[in-house]
Amino acid sequence: DTEVTQTPKHLVMGMTNKKSLKCEQHMGHRAMYWYKQKAKKPPELMFVYSYEKLSINESVPSRFSPECPNSSLLNLHLHALQPEDSALYLCASSQGEQFFGPGTRLTVL
Amino acid sequence: AQSVTQLDSQVPVFEEAPVELRCNYSSSVSVYLFWYVQYPNQGLQLLLKYLSGSTLVKGINGFEAEFNKSQTSFHLRKPSVHISDTAEYFCAVSDAPHTGKLIFGQGTTLQVKP
Repeated sequence: DTEVTQTPKHLVMGMTNKKSLKCEQHMGHRAMYWYKQKAKKPPELMFVYSYEKLSINESVPSRFSPECPNSSLLNLHLHALQPEDSALYLCASSQGEQFFGPGTRLTVL
Repeated sequence: AQSVTQLDSQVPVFEEAPVELRCNYSSSVSVYLFWYVQYPNQGLQLLLKYLSGSTLVKGINGFEAEFNKSQTSFHLRKPSVHISDTAEYFCAVSDAPHTGKLIFGQGTTLQVKP
């Protein structure tokens, strides 16, 4: 299995909602990442987990809360988001190069 | 600090013509270089990578890139493009490929015309 899966594909939420994005990989990779990508822009790194521990937080607002329950799973919990948080959220895993999932298209109303 | 510059934001080219997408980087440490492609409404797919060894790197879909340390460049080339190559291409650099950060360029939109 050489893929990273992400659910849901699309998500629409209001500014008072709480939702979660899920990412899964079964390649045995020990590093996992969350990126945010706005239209026509490169991905921006948000968080890095290495061996299930948070190793990099790129000064992301606390309304985004990552979680790594085990070596195959990565979650991103969302709460009280703003419309400017609407973007494509990409997950990746790595063991030499980063493999990206298809992303979750998030719209905040 | 590392940085990546993709010199062209858009590259229009006719089908079956050759193409070169330019990428320059700056880094004070050893670098690992990558090219990713992103088709509309999809995630990023690795085209090729340079970690060490031969400076000419061959990737998927007929793409290749040459690492030039003296010119700090990693340009992507394809001798004959197809309509299906229309996509966004990102050059990226890392100082630690296993767990490190990827620094992306701003991207180049390749538009292949019939």
